[in-house]
Amino acid sequence: NAGVTQTPKFQVLKTGQSMTLQCAQDMNHEYMSWYRQDPGMGLRLIHYSVGAGITDQGEVPNGYNVSRSTTEDFPLRLLSAAPSQTSVYFCASRRAGYFPQETQYFGPGTRLLVL
Amino acid sequence: TQLLEQSPQFLSIQEGENLTVYCNSSSVFSSLQWYRQEPGEGPVLLVTVVTGGEVKKLKRLTFQFGDARKDSSLHITAAQPGDTGLYLCAGAVGTSNTGKLIFGQGTTLQVKP
Repeated sequence: NAGVTQTPKFQVLKTGQSMTLQCAQDMNHEYMSWYRQDPGMGLRLIHYSVGAGITDQGEVPNGYNVSRSTTEDFPLRLLSAAPSQTSVYFCASRRAGYFPQETQYFGPGTRLLVL
Repeated sequence: TQLLEQSPQFLSIQEGENLTVYCNSSSVFSSLQWYRQEPGEGPVLLVTVVTGGEVKKLKRLTFQFGDARKDSSLHITAAQPGDTGLYLCAGAVGTSNTGKLIFGQGTTLQVKP
């Protein structure tokens, strides 16, 4: 099992450019999510999905879009990058069991710099 | 808005010392998870505590969930350089499949040999 994989590892964008951060998991997990991590602020939930075709907003969704066409993949799209979106982005997945006790698995992260 | 306040934010100690990291909130959580994150990697789950007053031990690490399920602590005995990293607490909100994790700001621990 590769677990949760993310590409790219690093990306530099100019303000206004668009890009897609890729996330895939091979554990057949129903729940997938995207977080951003900024210094001194922990991880904040951007969007999440409880299954193919179902997505919902998290705490900081503005400027980001997601879709979930398969169980395995959950891409995050930045429509028009802004410097405030400079961050480290983590994708995570877990089973759809009793949530409070389920283990959430994180990918290695994508470091994004918006100039 | 539910918040988790983690303290201290930074901790630099010598090998062999003991330390405690605190995670506090005014909100009640379904469970409390502790993660450890190495530089350049994603967080990795260390433990989940579910019941108020619960204590779990993982080798030299002791985790406690407050009786009211609003706070938690992580105690490390005889810290080693390999314990160096970012420690994150996360509170579970809700019990259904749409439940969410609220993360604390993290504690950066440096253990010097």
